[in-house]
Amino acid sequence: GQQLNQSPQSMFIQEGEDVSMNCTSSSIFNTWLWYKQDPGEGPVLLIALYKAGELTSNGRLTAQFGITRKDSFLNISASIPSDVGIYFCAGTYSGGGADGLTFGKGTHLIIQP
Amino acid sequence: DSGVTQTPKHLITATGQRVTLRCSPRSGDLSVYWYQQSLDQGLQFLIQYYNGEERAKGNILERFSAQQFPDLHSELNLSSLELGDSALYFCASSVDGLAGPNEQYFGPGTRLTV
Repeated sequence: GQQLNQSPQSMFIQEGEDVSMNCTSSSIFNTWLWYKQDPGEGPVLLIALYKAGELTSNGRLTAQFGITRKDSFLNISASIPSDVGIYFCAGTYSGGGADGLTFGKGTHLIIQP
Repeated sequence: DSGVTQTPKHLITATGQRVTLRCSPRSGDLSVYWYQQSLDQGLQFLIQYYNGEERAKGNILERFSAQQFPDLHSELNLSSLELGDSALYFCASSVDGLAGPNEQYFGPGTRLTV
């Protein structure tokens, strides 16, 4: 099946720093979604993107749907301790299983005191 | 709280056994999705149901099956369990799975230990 390449795999940052992570694919995606997962819990939807070039914000989070439709990025500004967790990109692509999401491997965000 | 509920929270069983995981979607959502999360494979789409009908299959084993009932709750049945089936199983729901906007909301998951 299709794979999403998500990077970086992990990030060690200081509180207050900005964070950037991205996902790329060799196929065209129709939707891009960003989720956050805390230990032992289900993924929580952060931002959904539906059009190439779309830039959407949710508080300190900003995500963009790449123009080529093969990539997306997520930025977090002024990180705080509760931002710790694993961030996943996900999406649906042409030729994929209807609306089943393909997930990246995740970016593990760690905030150092 | 996403509004998606899953039971049980934890399930411990033995190889060769059969288990049933249950999911109730958010009120008003017609589509239900099942995902498996393991350390080596990550989050993998298993199967989707829309308004009682199977709509799409992902990486679902033949030993696994699902159904969606008239009240829209769904069950995932796992049979002839193997050690490698130990994982977190998530259910997600969305309003409309017919190739439209696809904001999927996930439940808290069921941790299966075989």
